[in-house]
Amino acid sequence: AQSVTQPDIHITVSEGASLELRCNYSYGATPYLFWYVQSPGQGLQLLLKYFSGDTLVQGIKGFEAEFKRSQSSFNLRKPSVHWSDAAEYFCAVGDGLNTDKLIFGTGTRLQVFP
Amino acid sequence: EPEVTQTPSHQVTQMGQEVILRCVPISNHLYFYWYRQILGQKVEFLVSFYNNEISEKSEIFDDQFSVERPDGSNFTLKIRSTKLEDSAMYFCASRRTGDGSTFGSGTRLTVV
Repeated sequence: AQSVTQPDIHITVSEGASLELRCNYSYGATPYLFWYVQSPGQGLQLLLKYFSGDTLVQGIKGFEAEFKRSQSSFNLRKPSVHWSDAAEYFCAVGDGLNTDKLIFGTGTRLQVFP
Repeated sequence: EPEVTQTPSHQVTQMGQEVILRCVPISNHLYFYWYRQILGQKVEFLVSFYNNEISEKSEIFDDQFSVERPDGSNFTLKIRSTKLEDSAMYFCASRRTGDGSTFGSGTRLTVV
């Protein structure tokens, strides 16, 4: 069965520092991979997605993610974090079939210090 | 930018009562979903809906749950007899073919 692991429950960085949030997946075929962000009390906003092609994908708000098949990973990165990036980040894998339901990781809470 | 709209944003209900959570998906989307997030836990898939029928449902989606698309715009989730453990944030999502899902802001359901 598909699964997603986000090993870091909570990460704290200083504003302006670089960021990498880890995501590992388990899926038998070529996965559809997503990163979503959730601010407190808000819904889930799609940051970026990988379906095929270039393994480095660019998203909104200056985020990027790299698909590494050999490591079953899809880590999210940002070169310089802003205080407004503080939120919960969820990695998800889509099953690629007709329903394409999403399987989510447990999330990583990002705290940004000024 | 098109949005998925959910109402109400917060619903409090007594145990055993029926609740209906409402969603208006993006108009040209064909696939519709309900997910839930119990406080402090991850987002879980409940059900997917395509071509006016359920295409997949999870173990959570038992006989107490049902979904409906009564007209061309609304997509509803009904819980017939709510239990305390149904308290959660419920997210509606929609997508078009070949794209990622767009989520609504959620309905926080509190069962007392």
